[in-house]
Amino acid sequence: QSALTQPASVSGSPGQSITISCTGTNSDVGSYNFVSWYQHHPGKAPKVMIYEVSKRPSGVSDRFSGSKFGHTASLTISGLQAEDEADYYCCTYAGTNSYIFGTGTKVTVL
Amino acid sequence: EVQLVQSGAEVKKPGESLKISCEGYGYIFTTYWIAWVRQMPGKGLEWVGIIHPGDSDTRFSPSFQGQVTISVDKSISTAYLEWSSLKASDTAMYYCARLHPEGWFDPWGQGTLVTVSS
Repeated sequence: QSALTQPASVSGSPGQSITISCTGTNSDVGSYNFVSWYQHHPGKAPKVMIYEVSKRPSGVSDRFSGSKFGHTASLTISGLQAEDEADYYCCTYAGTNSYIFGTGTKVTVL
Repeated sequence: EVQLVQSGAEVKKPGESLKISCEGYGYIFTTYWIAWVRQMPGKGLEWVGIIHPGDSDTRFSPSFQGQVTISVDKSISTAYLEWSSLKASDTAMYYCARLHPEGWFDPWGQGTLVTVSS
């Protein structure tokens, strides 16, 4: 099981939109709609932002949205804000009660 | 409020054993799997494994199978991650998290920093 592939870094100016990709295989991302996304500020616990590809937990801003096409999932952050600067990880169910995280993306707000 | 509270930071020597804990509050502990996730210094999140507190059914990432033990004491709503002989490469932050049936992790514990150094 190899980690899902994410870009190492993505940046944008306040107010802009950015998209983070998460590429797996037909055996994991491509087979299940159990993709979730986590925001991780250094020194804090990760926080779920999206689950089941595109669902937002209660309390998460609607500036965060998720999608999937084939074996690539994406997280879009609209109206980028300074507080969005963090590391972001995707995660997918990979069958037989196993999970795989992405390599992580550092989001920088310019 | 649902929360997971982990045990404190540990500093150990190579070859020593260690057991860290994750206690659940605010929900019926036996109704959700608990996951363990590793973050090595400067690296990303890695799924270690999961345990079902109801029957102790356990699954591991192939990378961690045989390297760690996951257990649970449901009478005190606590899950454990254990090493019998630590290596320097086990130095990392370890998080526990509650696994929802739809395959997402929430909430997460605050993390336990494990440092293995001679």
